[in-house]
Amino acid sequence: NAGVTQTPKFQVLKTGQSMTLQCAQDMNHNSMYWYRQDPGMGLRLIYYSASEGTTDKGEVPNGYNVSRLNKREFSLRLESAAPSQTSVYFCASSEPGTGRPYEQYFGPGTRLTVT
Amino acid sequence: AQKITQTQPGMFVQEKEAVTLDCTYDTSDQSYGLFWYKQPSSGEMIFLIYQGSYDEQNATEGRYSLNFQKARKSANLVISASQLGDSAMYFCAMREGLTQGGSEKLVFGKGMKLTVNP
Repeated sequence: NAGVTQTPKFQVLKTGQSMTLQCAQDMNHNSMYWYRQDPGMGLRLIYYSASEGTTDKGEVPNGYNVSRLNKREFSLRLESAAPSQTSVYFCASSEPGTGRPYEQYFGPGTRLTVT
Repeated sequence: AQKITQTQPGMFVQEKEAVTLDCTYDTSDQSYGLFWYKQPSSGEMIFLIYQGSYDEQNATEGRYSLNFQKARKSANLVISASQLGDSAMYFCAMREGLTQGGSEKLVFGKGMKLTVNP
C-alpha cells in the first residue's frame, strides 16, 4: 500500500499562473482533506470531501477549488496563484470504523512557492 | 480566540526522561475530539493519540498518554522514556462537534518543537 500520494513534491509558480495539486489514496477511504501549513501557523483546512461527489469548505477556502474525481482522487486547483499561497500543502484521508477510526493519514506534502 | 493553544514554542528533554507537552482548547460543544500529531524534520504528519470528550479514561498509545482535564480544557501529551527519535514538531488538534458525514474537520494548534538530548 502506498497510502496517500501527492504530486508534485515541489513547484514554483509565477503570480497569476494556475496549477493543480494531485492527491490519491489506496486505502478505500471515503473522506479526504486538503490542508496548508505556513510557518508558525500549524495546519489549516482548505477543503474536505466526505465522500465521492461531495466537497465542503474548510477554514481557508478562498483562492482554491477542489474536485473529488472518484473515491481515490482529490485534487486542489489554484486558478490564479498569489504569493500568499506559498505554503506546504498536505492531503489526508480517513475512514471511521477502520483501524484507528479517528486517524487521518497524511501524504508527504507539496512545497509550493509563488513568486 | 484561538481554538487550540500551544504556548511552549520549544522544549528540551534528556533521553529516557518523561516530558509533558501542553495543549489547551476552547469550545462550547459538548462533543468533540482531541488529537496529537508528530511532524519529524522529514515533514510527514504522524498520528499519535486521540481522546474523545466523552471518554472516561485518559487515552494511551504505547509511550504516549493524554492527560485530559475537561474542566480545565486541557489535553496535554505525556511522552514517557523519551527517545532521540522523538525530536520533532508536535501539534495538538481538535474536532468540534460530531463527525460530519464521517469526516473529521480538524483545527490545529501552532505546534511546539521538542528536542531530545542524548
